[in-house]
Amino acid sequence: AQKVTQAQTEISVVEKEDVTLDCVYETRDTTYYLFWYKQPPSGELVFLIRRNSFDEQNEISGRYSWNFQKSTSSFNFTITASQVVDSAVYFCALSETGANNLFFGTGTRLTVIP
Amino acid sequence: KAGVTQTPRYLIKTRGQQVTLSCSPISGHRSVSWYQQTPGQGLQFLFEYFSETQRNKGNFPGRFSGRQFSNSRSEMNVSTLELGDSALYLCASSLAAGAQSRSPLHFGNGTRLTVT
Repeated sequence: AQKVTQAQTEISVVEKEDVTLDCVYETRDTTYYLFWYKQPPSGELVFLIRRNSFDEQNEISGRYSWNFQKSTSSFNFTITASQVVDSAVYFCALSETGANNLFFGTGTRLTVIP
Repeated sequence: KAGVTQTPRYLIKTRGQQVTLSCSPISGHRSVSWYQQTPGQGLQFLFEYFSETQRNKGNFPGRFSGRQFSNSRSEMNVSTLELGDSALYLCASSLAAGAQSRSPLHFGNGTRLTVT
């Protein structure tokens, strides 16, 4: 069975600090996709990244970076030099065989204090 | 390019009534998925439609149904509403279904349904 665990329920950081959001997943499939979404107060889920199970390369996009490690079934997300606009709930999600039925974690609420 | 549009944004219904929610996908997107978000259960997959056919269905009772039209617009219906159906219902679209898709899911702002 598939499962996504985001152990951090809430995190608060002071602006310009770095912060890492943890995500651990479980799946029996060898082909799967991992995602990160951001949900600001407006409610819309904003896509951040998609990574497939065959691509373990880390990725950096501006202040955002992702560390995918199959050995520990983790797909962690780091925000460098956090800003107030980063305040939101962040969700990690898993899709088996690339289907559009995503299994979401419970989310991590990030608050960046000015 | 317009994003995923969901109407209405807010809805208040009484227990036992039925409700229909609407979703217009991003232009060119043919797959539409629906998710329910509640404080207790989090985000849960309801169903996915592609080319007017239901492709996948989550673990929800038959009171929850949907359909997709030839222009890819989708509607979701909940009959005999229960208090526990109060939630944010999110619609998402992508270019194609499943592994064939080259685009990830893009979500709308959701419809917040309150059942009293």
